[in-house]
Amino acid sequence: GAVVSQHPSWVICKSGTSVKIECRSLDFQATTMFWYRQFPKQSLMLMATSNEGSKATYEQGVEKDKFLINHASLTLSTLTVTSAHPEDSSFYICSARQRTGSGEQYFGPGTRLTVT
Amino acid sequence: KQEVTQIPAALSVPEGENLVLNCSFTDSAIYNLQWFRQDPGKGLTSLLLIQSSQREQTSGRLNASLDKSSGRSTLYIAASQPGDSATYLCAVMDSNYQLIWGAGTKLIIKP
Repeated sequence: GAVVSQHPSWVICKSGTSVKIECRSLDFQATTMFWYRQFPKQSLMLMATSNEGSKATYEQGVEKDKFLINHASLTLSTLTVTSAHPEDSSFYICSARQRTGSGEQYFGPGTRLTVT
Repeated sequence: KQEVTQIPAALSVPEGENLVLNCSFTDSAIYNLQWFRQDPGKGLTSLLLIQSSQREQTSGRLNASLDKSSGRSTLYIAASQPGDSATYLCAVMDSNYQLIWGAGTKLIIKP
């Protein structure tokens, strides 16, 4: 149990376009989902926390108008990278926390974004 | 502000050796501590989660300990195998349920 999926697993887009990444909790309800970014050889950096039905909370330095997060249901959150630039190329990982339980976060497999 | 440090940053050992990875944190007010494994270009695999009230957790050849008072956790890997080669990440969950990450230890097990 507690499986989180991400789609797509990798995407290449042109500079200036927008890309949407989906994060789904497959077998549990996730009241909170987290979006992380990971640059090569670095650890994960929390971008934002989203709670179902409310606006996401962004970490300092993360542009909310560039990284649009929608947590429309208890099983789906989306991250849209708007007007992507090469410096947005990174590995994006989502996690989900169950409505009940230990507070543990379950991680998706990640999405590799390359902006050309 | 919670800070998590992992030492060493990289480790290379021959196959079969037992080894210890270290994780330290500055604020003992944690909810839990988790060890993850990450293979190159891949997502995270959760290895062990230790609740703040626990001292250790074991799974197969892995054993993780937690000493909240000293702000330390260790991940012990017994009888290491080449397949254990990966980056190992330590993360503490604070009282706001946010994970604070260490930079990781890159482990190479030589056949």
